Amino acid sequence: AQSVTQLGSHVSVSEGALVLLRCNYSSSVPPYLFWYVQYPNQGLQLLLKYTSAATLVKGINGFEAEFKKSETSFHLTKPSAHMSDAAEYFCAVSPSGSARQLTFGSGTQLTVLP
Amino acid sequence: DGGITQSPKYLFRKEGQNVTLSCEQNLNHDAMYWYRQDPGQGLRLIYYSQIVNDFQKGDIAEGYSVSREKKESFPLTVTSAQKNPTAFYLCASSIAGAGVTGELFFGEGSRLTVL
Repeated sequence: AQSVTQLGSHVSVSEGALVLLRCNYSSSVPPYLFWYVQYPNQGLQLLLKYTSAATLVKGINGFEAEFKKSETSFHLTKPSAHMSDAAEYFCAVSPSGSARQLTFGSGTQLTVLP
Repeated sequence: DGGITQSPKYLFRKEGQNVTLSCEQNLNHDAMYWYRQDPGQGLRLIYYSQIVNDFQKGDIAEGYSVSREKKESFPLTVTSAQKNPTAFYLCASSIAGAGVTGELFFGEGSRLTVL
């Protein structure tokens, strides 16, 4: 069985500051990892995904994430926060890569302060 | 534009009533899913369907029912047996059998409140 832990249900950063959202996973097999973003009262949208091709993954809107097997982590970063980045972010894991087997974390609400 | 349409966006229901949430997609995706989202709990899978006329229970199927008579449509019925139905419901679709994708395409959700 796999699981995902997102450290920090709420994160606040100033506009222009580094964004770091933490995600740790457990999986009995090499995992496939994903970050999704949800804007208020909307569905989720895929930001990026790790599928074992490269440990540093670049996504949309300037976000990237690094897969670290030794730390079982897949933290999401962005060098400079923008007001439009305010949203909820979900980390997810799938043992096979299939959408059916996705397990989502509980989410991190990102607030960007002016 | 291709996408997933959920309706209604907001719905109020009295206890003991069944309610059906609509989900339609024009992405030509084979697989469709229903998730429930509660504050601080992430998304939990209710039902999914890989092909027409076939569907499988997810992790929290009790009190819910679905049908898949057409590829484009996957309605969810919240029955009176669901003990705590107030939640945000999300419909999603994906390309089935396409190997490693894990990418779900989501609708904008339906917020159900039981009075």
